[in-house]
Amino acid sequence: EAGVAQSPRYKIIEKRQSVAFWCNPISGHATLYWYQQILGQGPKLLIQFQNNGVVDDSQLPKDRFSAERLKGVDSTLKIQPAKLEDSAVYLCASNLLAGGIEQFFGPGTRLTVL
Amino acid sequence: SQQGEEDPQALSIQEGENATMNCSYKTSINNLQWYRQNSGRGLVHLILIRSNEREKHSGRLRVTLDTSKKSSSLLITASRAADTASYFCAESGGSNYKLTFGKGTLLTVNP
Repeated sequence: EAGVAQSPRYKIIEKRQSVAFWCNPISGHATLYWYQQILGQGPKLLIQFQNNGVVDDSQLPKDRFSAERLKGVDSTLKIQPAKLEDSAVYLCASNLLAGGIEQFFGPGTRLTVL
Repeated sequence: SQQGEEDPQALSIQEGENATMNCSYKTSINNLQWYRQNSGRGLVHLILIRSNEREKHSGRLRVTLDTSKKSSSLLITASRAADTASYFCAESGGSNYKLTFGKGTLLTVNP
């Protein structure tokens, strides 16, 4: 079974530029998550989708971050404009349902904002 | 949201020894999960313990949960160099089973 795919794996941008990350979850997984992991910390949930609807985006900085999951499969996360403090690894995860089971994580995208 | 705390922040042991990591969490949970993260395999789920369970085993892993103290511990027995990684506890709470991760324990197992 193929795992969660993410691209790009690395991205370096200047502050105030825009960037987008892509995630393809495991086939059949209805729930998709985006996390931000700053160096030395645990992952922090940014947004949770159930199919193509948003379940939780309470920690998404909506003035600069946006995410969508068209057709309930792939998802993109965008930052516009980026700030220095956005430097982090962005992890995508998926699972069959949100109800108390493990999440499967992709390899992440390491973003450096200069 | 507030992250829970793992203790210790870093742990260095010899191969064959046992490693114990502790986790304190903040909210009422549906379950508590432990994940491992290393550069080779990314973030991987290890074990899940439900709020009505007190202890669970999986291979060389043993997890305990004390809901009265809002704490959990992960024991890895007979450690191997390949166990070197960061270990995170994650509390799952709310109607959408949202995961809130702790800050992690960096475990180094020396050959």
